[in-house]
Order: sequence, then C-alpha cells, then structure tokens
Amino acid sequence: GAGVSQSPRYKVAKRGQDVALRCDPISGHVSLFWYQQALGQGPEFLTYFQNEAQLDKSGLPSDRFFAERPEGSVSTLKIQRTQQEDSAVYLCASSSRGGLSNQPQHFGDGTRLSIL
Amino acid sequence: GESVGLHLPTLSVQEGDNSIINCAYSNSASDYFIWYKQESGKGPQFIIDIRSNMDKRQGQRVTVLLNKTVKHLSLQIAATQPGDSAVYFCAENRDDYKLSFGAGTTVTVRA
Repeated sequence: GAGVSQSPRYKVAKRGQDVALRCDPISGHVSLFWYQQALGQGPEFLTYFQNEAQLDKSGLPSDRFFAERPEGSVSTLKIQRTQQEDSAVYLCASSSRGGLSNQPQHFGDGTRLSIL
Repeated sequence: GESVGLHLPTLSVQEGDNSIINCAYSNSASDYFIWYKQESGKGPQFIIDIRSNMDKRQGQRVTVLLNKTVKHLSLQIAATQPGDSAVYFCAENRDDYKLSFGAGTTVTVRA
C-alpha cells in the first residue's frame, strides 16, 4: 500500500488477556520498527527487524512482549498477560534499506491499546 | 544519559508568521536527525531530515538548521498555517537505526 498500515486502530482488553497488533509496512521496505508512545511523550523504541531477522529487541519492556516478522513483510507485536501499564499507542515504522543510517522511518497511525 | 529534547513544550504563533521550534541534543556521535509532525490520533509524519555533514536544509516552507558546536537543531516553518497545528518532534538516529525522540513541542496557530 501507499503507507504503513496498522490494525486494529483501537484495542480494549481486560488485564491478563493476550493481544496481537498487526503492522503492514510499505511494500518493499526492508526495515521494520515498533515503538511505544505513552500519552504526552515521544515514541520509545521497542524492536527492529531487517527482513525477517529481529536484530534488536532491547526496548521490549518485559518477556511478555514478543514480535515477529516471519516472511519479512507483515509484523505482529504480541503482548501476553496484559497489565494496565501496557496501555499506550503502539507505532510501527518502516524504512527502505537495512543497515540504514540516514534513512527516514515512515510511521503508521498506530494502535491505541487500553487495558482495563 | 544522553537524550534528545526540546526547549519549549508549547508554542503559540499567529497565522502567517514564521515559527521556530528548537531542539537540543547531547549525543555528539549522532549523525542524522529528523523532524516529525504528529497530529492528534495520527502517527508521526516525516517533515525533513538532515545529516551531520550539513548545516542547513530546506524543504517546502520548512528549513532545518543544525549547529553541531552547541548541539542544537531547529525547525523553521514559514508563513504558518492552521494546518501546521500539531506536536513536533525532533529525533536522533542512534546505532544506525534506533530513533530517539524528545518529548515534543505543541504548536498552536492563532487565526
């Protein structure tokens, strides 16, 4: 598609439930990123993929967070046993090259996750 | 720790005036910077970028200035329009891929 697409746009879950957030990057983009954005803050890095390889997951808050990109295109961010502190906007971004200093990342509109 | 930050959390500007949004960074090794605009309910939208071997870069109605001596970045918007109302973030590219964002400046355009 023309831009990064994320679904669902909004997700409400009860504490303890598992959730899965989907990202469709810009077609042909090698690199894919997940960020977490708390209310009133800038996005915080979670994880980075180059094609299907997850090269950096240092930003994932806990082992309840898991991301995958099995075919090097669509990515899913999964959160198990959700907690209230997981409530945030989850942003996906992609860029055209790997090893990619000096390449802008293009963002989707995010999934707003609310944990009750 | 090192971080990218903005000088002012809010900026109010008269329609038609020029806007200047400032950003200070502390990682002297950073070699690439990006300005993003984020409207309510939307993701960050790329505005303009600049590499560390440049001092100035111009786009359509926007100019980014980079002062490496004092580690300062600014975004100038010419003839500010109501559609420019948004939160503006500067971001620093670390480790060749990881973006580090400041907290953002909220720009409000007065009619």
